[in-house]
Amino acid sequence: DAMVIQNPRYQVTQFGKPVTLSCSQTLNHNVMYWYQQKSSQAPKLLFHYYDKDFNNEADTPDNFQSRRPNTSFCFLDIRSPGLGDAAMYLCATSRDFVGLPYEQYFGPGTRLTVT
Amino acid sequence: AQTVTQSQPEMSVQEAETVTLSCTYDTSESNYYLFWYKQPPSRQMILVIRQEAYKQQNATENRFSVNFQKAAKSFSLKISDSQLGDTAMYFCAFMKPLSYSGGGADGLTFGKGTHLIIQP
Repeated sequence: DAMVIQNPRYQVTQFGKPVTLSCSQTLNHNVMYWYQQKSSQAPKLLFHYYDKDFNNEADTPDNFQSRRPNTSFCFLDIRSPGLGDAAMYLCATSRDFVGLPYEQYFGPGTRLTVT
Repeated sequence: AQTVTQSQPEMSVQEAETVTLSCTYDTSESNYYLFWYKQPPSRQMILVIRQEAYKQQNATENRFSVNFQKAAKSFSLKISDSQLGDTAMYFCAFMKPLSYSGGGADGLTFGKGTHLIIQP
């Protein structure tokens, strides 16, 4: 089935040790998003790619970076994770086509623990 | 900036009952999308129902329906004949419209969620 896949599902990293989370999709959607969801909170948009164009939210910390080498893959890099970065990271995709019903498809998330 | 408010952190009902989840939002946009997403425990978020603001008719999807009051900026979700599998976090979300000039699709602005528990 076409889907959004996130690896790994659980990631443990040490304070200050760079970590990369990955997302892949078989939907051929042109837009990919990264959200951060802390415990018992709403998901918060970090950034999104519209095709290869990167769009950063104004309040996303510089510690967070993203790469999209091709349509199918998108990576979230956390350069120096702090304890406050422990969260569930959700990847989502959408097809940006005016006139069609809009929906974001979410992956299962990667739960990041920082020790 | 848009804000989405869900005032019910948790709700619990008996199986087969009808339950309504509340959502209000604030925006200066005249056209936009509203969504309800469901996030079951340890599972991925899935779309329950969507509403385009320019449509006056309330959206329905089987047991799920919305009461969209644009002037009041209210977007409640009604679940009829609730089932055990409806137990989940429910998020109300807002999105600005796609741009006909080719602008990119923005992300969703979510409310804090309502934890719905269906009791057997």
